[in-house]
Amino acid sequence: GENVEQHPSTLSVQEGDSAVIKCTYSDSASNYFPWYKQELGKRPQLIIDIRSNVGEKKDQRIAVTLNKTAKHFSLHITETQPEDSAVYFCAASTAGANNLFFGTGTRLTVIP
Amino acid sequence: GAGVSQSPSNKVTEKGKDVELRCDPISGHTALYWYRQSLGQGLEFLIYFQGNSAPDKSGLPSDRFSAERTGGSVSTLTIQRTQQEDSAVYLCASSPRTSGFTGELFFGEGSRLTVL
Repeated sequence: GENVEQHPSTLSVQEGDSAVIKCTYSDSASNYFPWYKQELGKRPQLIIDIRSNVGEKKDQRIAVTLNKTAKHFSLHITETQPEDSAVYFCAASTAGANNLFFGTGTRLTVIP
Repeated sequence: GAGVSQSPSNKVTEKGKDVELRCDPISGHTALYWYRQSLGQGLEFLIYFQGNSAPDKSGLPSDRFSAERTGGSVSTLTIQRTQQEDSAVYLCASSPRTSGFTGELFFGEGSRLTVL
């Protein structure tokens, strides 16, 4: 089955700086890559996703890039704010599959 | 309610006891998932229900774990003879998708299980 690895496990940045979280996946048939944000004590929520037919997607301060050849994808957060502090999970899935395979999460702390 | 509802939010039990965790998905969502979130770990897939189809149980870690979904709506995850390693947050999610995995999962806030 699919194996998703995520790095780093923790990340601290100064407010206003950028943050980058990277994930790799093992199944070349995977074609859907969402990112979920989980604030402390809250439920995970989808913040952005990308499908394998595009290489980059942006939504305001958040962007995701995908390199299908290398089987890795990354989350980029620019101009970080304290409210960006949370655990971020990447995930991968194959079309027609029942399952969404998650990474182990990155705890991001934005220091005011 | 507007979101996925789970109960109880917290459950403390003694080793060897059985527990039941409940999930009420968003109305009209045909797909329902259970995940387990252990400390420092990602979200581990447990089981998937899609409409009236047979569930995908491939993620259940042992035969002590079972789940059912009645009437295509509410789901119950049962853990028999609980062990300390079962301590985790159990998350339920639903999705309006009828097939495949191509869209957003809507998560509940989870049930935190502590086995003493």
